Amino acid sequence: DQQVKQNSPSLSVQEGRISILNCDYTNSMFDYFLWYKKYPAEGPTFLISISSIKDKNEDGRFTVFLNKSAKHLSLHIVPSQPGDSAVYFCAASTALLHGSGNTGKLIFGQGTTLQVKP
Amino acid sequence: KAGVTQTPRYLIKTRGQQVTLSCSPISGHRSVSWYQQTPGQGLQFLFEYFSETQRNKGNFPGRFSGRQFSNSRSEMNVSTLELGDSALYLCASSKGVAKNIQYFGAGTRLSVL
Repeated sequence: DQQVKQNSPSLSVQEGRISILNCDYTNSMFDYFLWYKKYPAEGPTFLISISSIKDKNEDGRFTVFLNKSAKHLSLHIVPSQPGDSAVYFCAASTALLHGSGNTGKLIFGQGTTLQVKP
Repeated sequence: KAGVTQTPRYLIKTRGQQVTLSCSPISGHRSVSWYQQTPGQGLQFLFEYFSETQRNKGNFPGRFSGRQFSNSRSEMNVSTLELGDSALYLCASSKGVAKNIQYFGAGTRLSVL
């Protein structure tokens, strides 16, 4: 039962253009979402997060959008740079609903490999 | 500030053996979570420890166990290894409060032959 899905295994964009990575979830109890980036031979690195009370959060070149009715979130990277080439994971938790008790349990999507071409 | 440290980075074991992996969290973090990453299943949650107590558990068999010490360092143990246990094992530390961020180590690559 895949509660968090990233349906696109890979994405290729040109440097300077926008990268849009998508994520869908099925569990309506999820209320906190995170995006991580992973390079080979390294652990995932936190990028940006959003709680269910918001529909948008920005941090520099990264913006995450949340559509609760569609159970969909997306990560926008503008402008894309070659150094952004990595695997991107979205993750979800029920952190807010259950307070601190569930913050240590993240449910991850399968990941999307982004390639930014110079 | 030092990041999350996992040791060893690589391990090769044979079926039936047991293995212990270690994780040192970021200073001040009380929560340590463990994940298994495989090509077919992605990143799957194993368990979380907070203040030396297991607070959450994923859907893994009892062969997978863990513990946390008073200094928040954590160990994960896998007994009676199977070929399917070959994976990258990642640990993540956090403050353990609502809306907190988990910070990951580089992982331990376990190969079971």
